[in-house]
Amino acid sequence: AQTVTQSQPEMSVQEAETVTLSCTYDTSESDYYLFWYKQPPSRQMILVIRQEAYKQQNATENRFSVNFQKAAKSFSLKISDSQLGDAAMYFCAYRSGLQGAQKLVFGQGTRLTINP
Amino acid sequence: EAGVAQSPRYKIIEKRQSVAFWCNPISGHATLYWYQQILGQGPKLLIQFQNNGVVDDSQLPKDRFSAERLKGVDSTLKIQPAKLEDSAVYLCASSLAFLGRVVDEQFFGPGTRLTVL
Repeated sequence: AQTVTQSQPEMSVQEAETVTLSCTYDTSESDYYLFWYKQPPSRQMILVIRQEAYKQQNATENRFSVNFQKAAKSFSLKISDSQLGDAAMYFCAYRSGLQGAQKLVFGQGTRLTINP
Repeated sequence: EAGVAQSPRYKIIEKRQSVAFWCNPISGHATLYWYQQILGQGPKLLIQFQNNGVVDDSQLPKDRFSAERLKGVDSTLKIQPAKLEDSAVYLCASSLAFLGRVVDEQFFGPGTRLTVL
């Protein structure tokens, strides 16, 4: 079974600075997808960024980018120019590439605090 | 486009009582998921529907949890009888379908926070 581990329960950063959230995963599959979700206090999970394992290029979405190290099974999220609205729980998630296997396997989450 | 709707937003019950949660997915989404999120943890899949058929219910405690998706649209998740450890947020999500290499995004509802006393 696949597992996802986030070793940082909490992180904090000054507004406008850069922060990196860590995620490692364990799988025997070669085809899979990785995601970062944001969960604000409203509880609604919002997709931040995703990475296909077969793509070597790291995904970027505006101020959000990932460092995907497939051999090391590492998938970190970098948030540049942090804003107060970035404060939330962040979850790393794994999804198998097998057709029909669509469930997301989540890590334990990292609570990100933005200091003004 | 309207998002995933869930009700109620909050529910407080006593142990051994029953409770039901409702989810209305995004129109046209064939796949529907129910996740359980215990405080301090990431969500865990309970059950996945493709249209009105069950794809994965391997982590659903079937002795007390049940779910159905009538006509492949709305879904109801029921707990009977509830235990203290069922206190959690229950998230519903929906997606179009798995289209080979095209990753269909899962859209989440706001969740129902259940407290079992």
